[in-house]
Amino acid sequence: DIQMTQSPSSLSASVGDRVTLTCRASQSIRSYLNWYQQRPGKAPKLLIYAASSLQSGVPSRFSGSGSGTDFTLTINSLQPEDFATYFCQQSYSTAVTFGGGTKVEIK
Amino acid sequence: EVQLVESGGGLVQPGGSLRLSCVVSGFTVSSNYLSWVRQAPGKGLEWVSVIYSGGSTYYADSVKGRFTISRDNSKNTLYLQMNSLRAEDTAVYYCARDNYYDLGSYDAFDIWGQGTTVTVSS
Repeated sequence: DIQMTQSPSSLSASVGDRVTLTCRASQSIRSYLNWYQQRPGKAPKLLIYAASSLQSGVPSRFSGSGSGTDFTLTINSLQPEDFATYFCQQSYSTAVTFGGGTKVEIK
Repeated sequence: EVQLVESGGGLVQPGGSLRLSCVVSGFTVSSNYLSWVRQAPGKGLEWVSVIYSGGSTYYADSVKGRFTISRDNSKNTLYLQMNSLRAEDTAVYYCARDNYYDLGSYDAFDIWGQGTTVTVSS
């Protein structure tokens, strides 16, 4: 299986900050990388697909980049509702796998 | 309205069985790829199984031979039959639609249910 590693596992930030989350794949997955946001007690929500395409309805302060093995999710001007856990997921293989998540907490 | 609603979770003893259901609204199960994804308490997300529109099914190694994914097109419902349950199967189970973008080049889970909790314990 393709292993997905996210860093950091958690970070503290303030409203208005720009934050960058990282996801690394154990092998090249080209651009088959998705990002999800999960708030406590809720189902995950798709933010970014195909590494850099914004899902319909998602605010433009979210952006994704990368290809091959290294990917980033950037949140510009962090808003109160953005404090959540973020997961990356590879869809390169049939057995999709997720990263361990990055929890974004309020400083 | 596009919606997925899971049910069927509960407390079951190790070695027992449970069947989860996911009622789909707003699109047809027969025309879409649908997956089960689970999340153990305080842990990350783990893909469990997928059924393709053509009927092909695939499983994570951790559940292969014990879980069976299926669908009933007449009821527009997805199922997950779980047998020989273990403590490590304890999790919230989500059904999710695997949607395709860019003329089928890329896919992602765009619609999720609210989840149903399975607890395996004696």
